[in-house]
Amino acid sequence: DSGVTQTPKHLITATGQRVTLRCSPRSGDLSVYWYQQSLDQGLQFLIQYYNGEERAKGNILERFSAQQFPDLHSELNLSSLELGDSALYFCASSRSGYNSPLHFGNGTRLTVT
Amino acid sequence: DQQVKQNSPSLSVQEGRISILNCDYTNSMFDYFLWYKKYPAEGPTFLISISSIKDKNEDGRFTVFLNKSAKHLSLHIVPSQPGDSAVYFCAASPNNNAGNMLTFGGGTRLMVKP
Repeated sequence: DSGVTQTPKHLITATGQRVTLRCSPRSGDLSVYWYQQSLDQGLQFLIQYYNGEERAKGNILERFSAQQFPDLHSELNLSSLELGDSALYFCASSRSGYNSPLHFGNGTRLTVT
Repeated sequence: DQQVKQNSPSLSVQEGRISILNCDYTNSMFDYFLWYKKYPAEGPTFLISISSIKDKNEDGRFTVFLNKSAKHLSLHIVPSQPGDSAVYFCAASPNNNAGNMLTFGGGTRLMVKP
């Protein structure tokens, strides 16, 4: 158990809809990261937050947004969903600072129909 | 532009033998490298890491080697066990103040046969 909790585990929704994925980091971790893994693809970095502030941005679509709350949990909002958004979405957390490994949750599997 | 590449999508090894997984990178700014193992329906699990100031790091059955001039790293598992069967991802992080944003390779599926 990595200590990173993601909810829900599975989500099925229709095109055009909006969903929110939730992540609770490991106790003491200030950084939260979101990654997307599409079918047969590697993990693609979406966005990182550190102690409530956006720290780095990857190839995140404008239809997607995220935030980190004062209690350090994070939410990833996906709107105007398309079939191609179907993927596994992973959250990870790490200690602050440099050269700390990321610890991943078990992901949310999103299916857009 | 794939900055981290794992050219072998799969590898099959006999139990007790050595497993060698390879990874190449192109970005010279990468200076922290990690290996993750992933089982189906689970998130990636951190295995071992290495900083660019080292060329080898060992943890039990797992050893990571880094060749900076060749921009190549490898993971050795000795001896391999059936429970090691999983997808292995290498990842790299640059030396900057943006935190530990990792770029992942596409993964190598390791199958250890009993």
